[in-house]
Amino acid sequence: QSVLTQPPSASGTPGQRVPIFCSGSRSNIGMNSVSWYKVVPGKAPKLLIHTNDQRPSGVPDRFSGFKSGTSASLAISGLQSEDEADYYCAGWDDSLQGVIFGGGTKLTVL
Amino acid sequence: QLQLQESGPGLVKPWETLSLTCTVSGDSFRTSYYSWGWIRQPPGKGPEWIGSISYYGITHHNPSLESRVTTSVDTSNSQFSLKLATVTAADTAVYYCVRQAVVGGAFDPWGQGTLVIVSS
Repeated sequence: QSVLTQPPSASGTPGQRVPIFCSGSRSNIGMNSVSWYKVVPGKAPKLLIHTNDQRPSGVPDRFSGFKSGTSASLAISGLQSEDEADYYCAGWDDSLQGVIFGGGTKLTVL
Repeated sequence: QLQLQESGPGLVKPWETLSLTCTVSGDSFRTSYYSWGWIRQPPGKGPEWIGSISYYGITHHNPSLESRVTTSVDTSNSQFSLKLATVTAADTAVYYCVRQAVVGGAFDPWGQGTLVIVSS
């Protein structure tokens, strides 16, 4: 079981806004930055959000990140079929002294 | 544009040492703003951070793998390497090399990944 907790699945229809949540504790999300990744089988994982809410150049503004206390979320608006993928949150944990990943959320576009 | 490419054997026998190299191209390998790291993803599971090493050789490893992991840099060839000792079937995974930001710790970009199977 991951230290960062994500719902195993999420879904939405094209055009919808879908949130993906990541719950942690003071030693990880509470004290450190969160990043979000999109993982598609057979492709290199892609950074979507870094430092809680910052979008790298080239990532559409449909993707947004938010952090409050010991929880973080990724929101995808204007959902598209190509958004179907696994999404992971990640960050440093002061207690474990290492980078940890959430268990992942499989997003299905209906 | 920065590119990372993993190379190494795709099949390793149990109890032997897994060795992978990552070649960096398209941008400076010498940097104080980033470290160079390894992440793996076992089949059907989420990613697991293995460790990172700076250009200057400063390392951080996952405590759960620390006793088996060695990372190194070859500055003359813009490469960094991973060795994982005494592997078992549980080490079967896709192994990715990554660039990791010193501030914030985000991983970007990732290499394409290489599947390493541990089997006799």
